[in-house]
Amino acid sequence: GENVEQHPSTLSVQEGDSAVIKCTYSDSASNYFPWYKQELGKGPQLIIDIRSNVGEKKDQRIAVTLNKTAKHFSLHITETQPEDSAVYFCAASTRGGSQGNLIFGKGTKLSVKP
Amino acid sequence: GAGVSQSPSNKVTEKGKDVELRCDPISGHTALYWYRQSLGQGLEFLIYFQGNSAPDKSGLPSDRFSAERTGGSVSTLTIQRTQQEDSAVYLCASSKGGQYRSGANVLTFGAGSRLTVL
Repeated sequence: GENVEQHPSTLSVQEGDSAVIKCTYSDSASNYFPWYKQELGKGPQLIIDIRSNVGEKKDQRIAVTLNKTAKHFSLHITETQPEDSAVYFCAASTRGGSQGNLIFGKGTKLSVKP
Repeated sequence: GAGVSQSPSNKVTEKGKDVELRCDPISGHTALYWYRQSLGQGLEFLIYFQGNSAPDKSGLPSDRFSAERTGGSVSTLTIQRTQQEDSAVYLCASSKGGQYRSGANVLTFGAGSRLTVL
């Protein structure tokens, strides 16, 4: 089955710097890659996603890139702000995410220092 | 409802007892998921319901775990004869489901039920 590895487990940056979180997946049939943000005491919330027919997607300060050949995808946050501090999870799915389960990475705790 | 509601938010139980965790998904969402979040272990898939189809139980860790979804809405996750290693946050999520619906694959999570087994 699918296995998703996520690095780093913790990341500390200064406000205004960029943050990058990387994930690799094992199943070449995976075609949907969302990123979720979990704030303390809350459930994870989708922030951005990408499908396998797209190499990059941007939404304001966040972007996701996908390298299908290498089977890895990354989350990029620019101009980080204290409110970006949270745990971020990557995930992969072989059925477009609409049917069946998502396999999540173990999460990255991002701390943005003011 | 406006979001996914889970109860109880916190549950402390003694080893060997049975527990039930409840999830009220967003109205109209046909897909419902249960995940377990242990410290440092990310989100572990447990079970998935889609409409009237047979649930995908491939993530349930043992036969002590079971889940039902009544009337295509509310779901209950039951853990029998709880063990200390069952201590975790149990997250429920729902989505529109279906292969072609817009936003079908966006999971909306509840805040979770924190289970502590003494």
